[in-house]
Amino acid sequence: AQSVTQLDSHVSVSEGTPVLLRCNYSSSYSPSLFWYVQHPNKGLQLLLKYTSAATLVKGINGFEAEFKKSETSFHLTKPSAHMSDAAEYFCVVSERNFNKFYFGSGTKLNVKP
Amino acid sequence: DTAVSQTPKYLVTQMGNDKSIKCEQNLGHDTMYWYKQDSKKFLKIMFSYNNKELIINETVPNRFSPKSPDKAHLNLHINSLELGDSAVYFCASSEVSGNTIYFGEGSWLTVV
Repeated sequence: AQSVTQLDSHVSVSEGTPVLLRCNYSSSYSPSLFWYVQHPNKGLQLLLKYTSAATLVKGINGFEAEFKKSETSFHLTKPSAHMSDAAEYFCVVSERNFNKFYFGSGTKLNVKP
Repeated sequence: DTAVSQTPKYLVTQMGNDKSIKCEQNLGHDTMYWYKQDSKKFLKIMFSYNNKELIINETVPNRFSPKSPDKAHLNLHINSLELGDSAVYFCASSEVSGNTIYFGEGSWLTVV
């Protein structure tokens, strides 16, 4: 069975400081993993995805995530937060070659000036 | 050029009414979805269609009926709207392999 756990419902950082959003997953198969961002009153935008190539995945807007199979984690990081990063972030796991996507409960990122 | 587009973006309607939300994707994907996002931002899949055939039908009241006239369109019709139906409804699509899912901008439904 697949599941995703986002360990923090809210994260607050100061502008210019690093961002860490944590995600753990469980999967019976080789998973594909994704991070999506949702700005207020907007749809979900793909930030990055892992699909069995390099374990360190770079995405848009300076975000990256590292797939760690031994820890079943796919944490999202950014070296320096920007005010425009304030949004809701979703970690997603899917079974390859299936059409099921499992969403985490979301982490709201607040960026303080 | 929007990849997954849904209309209307905002919809306010009274209890008991029937309403539809339309969705179209121009990505050439075979699979389309409807998700519901509640007030706590939790996303729950409602339906999934692959090439016009229903493949996922989660526990959803039968007042909700999806219709896929072709693989580029998946519309959602809701009968006898209830207060609890107020939510954001997202249409999405993916390739058959399910490699990446692309979302529309959402439809904000408010039932009063």
